[in-house]
Amino acid sequence: DQQVKQNSPSLSVQEGRISILNCDYTNSMFDYFLWYKKYPAEGPTFLISISSIKDKNEDGRFTVFLNKSAKHLSLHIVPSQPGDSAVYFCAASHTGGFKTIFGAGTRLFVKA
Amino acid sequence: DTGVSQDPRHKITKRGQNVTFRCDPISEHNRLYWYRQTLGQGPEFLTYFQNEAQLEKSRLLSDRFSAERPKGSFSTLEIQRTEQGDSAMYLCASSPGPAGYTFGSGTRLTVV
Repeated sequence: DQQVKQNSPSLSVQEGRISILNCDYTNSMFDYFLWYKKYPAEGPTFLISISSIKDKNEDGRFTVFLNKSAKHLSLHIVPSQPGDSAVYFCAASHTGGFKTIFGAGTRLFVKA
Repeated sequence: DTGVSQDPRHKITKRGQNVTFRCDPISEHNRLYWYRQTLGQGPEFLTYFQNEAQLEKSRLLSDRFSAERPKGSFSTLEIQRTEQGDSAMYLCASSPGPAGYTFGSGTRLTVV
């Protein structure tokens, strides 16, 4: 039962343009959402998060949007840079829960 | 380096052998997690410790898997009688609270 879904396995974007990575979830108990970035041969690295009481959180070039009614979140990277090329995981957890559930990831390619 | 440390980075073993992995979390983090990641998938939760207490285990963790965190510091994950299906990246993470993990670089297990 995939509670967190990233339906695009890969995305290719030109340097300087916007990258939009999407994520859907099914469990309405989730109230905290995160994005992680992963380079080859490294563990995932925390990137940005959002609580369900917000609909937007921004950190530099990275913005996460949450649409609770649609159970959908997205990560916007603007402007995209070649160093952003990595696998991005969407993840979710709920208050009182012990674990974070991850999506399958989207591989982002930023072309110079 | 105050990150999460995992040892070994790579392990190749023959089917039927036992293997043990070690994780040293960030020292002030009382929560420790083990995840498993296979190709094309996101990290899947295996087990969770709060201090030395193992509070949750996934049904993915069969009887051949055991994890310990004897003094609430480092943790070990042992797999007995390894099978080819156990081949994966085993990730350890720690956190001071319920979210925002810091992952280690993982141990890549190959069962031949």
